[in-house]
Amino acid sequence: LAKTTQPISMDSYEGQEVNITCSHNNIATNDYITWYQQFPSQGPRFIIQGYKTKVTNEVASLFIPADRKSSTLSLPRVSLSDTAVYYCLVANTGRRALTFGSGTRLQVQP
Amino acid sequence: ETGVTQTPRHLVMGMTNKKSLKCEQHLGHNAMYWYKQSAKKPLELMFVYSLEERVENNSVPSRFSPECPNSSHLFLHLHTLQPEDSALYLCASSQDSRAIYNEQFFGPGTRLTVL
Repeated sequence: LAKTTQPISMDSYEGQEVNITCSHNNIATNDYITWYQQFPSQGPRFIIQGYKTKVTNEVASLFIPADRKSSTLSLPRVSLSDTAVYYCLVANTGRRALTFGSGTRLQVQP
Repeated sequence: ETGVTQTPRHLVMGMTNKKSLKCEQHLGHNAMYWYKQSAKKPLELMFVYSLEERVENNSVPSRFSPECPNSSHLFLHLHTLQPEDSALYLCASSQDSRAIYNEQFFGPGTRLTVL
């Protein structure tokens, strides 16, 4: 299983861009990279998913370099409501395995 | 509201009790999952259920027993639990378990405390 490593916590201010990087050195060819957001007392919520290069949706961008050994979630212009834990997930469909990271606790200050 | 509901939201039980957690999804999905989230630990996938099969994490103790009577309902039967089993138990669903990386929709979880 691909092990993932993320920073434990990050601090930011409203209006700033936040980049959270996840390392997954043992990622397999058929692994996809997914990011989830979790608020206290709630289940995780899907943010974005990618396989390689760059993916963008209405809330975030995901950057994946050519070697795919890391990925970076980019949150543009964060607000207080973006304070949450962000999880990097590497999913292997072949073995029906999932590996969640330990999560990055993002604190956005006014 | 994610379309996945879980009951009860909180449960306190003794080590000799037998209880069940219930999950229901209203999204028409074909796959359902049980996760365990302990304090300061990553989410741990316990079981995967789809129309075709059940996949389980071999490290899950036998005191946890899943049941999936149909594609919309999922249960987790608990018996003779240990205090270290206290955690948040999350249910999720997705369109197709064969593409396990697909977006999963999580319920709010059941906070379980074993005394």
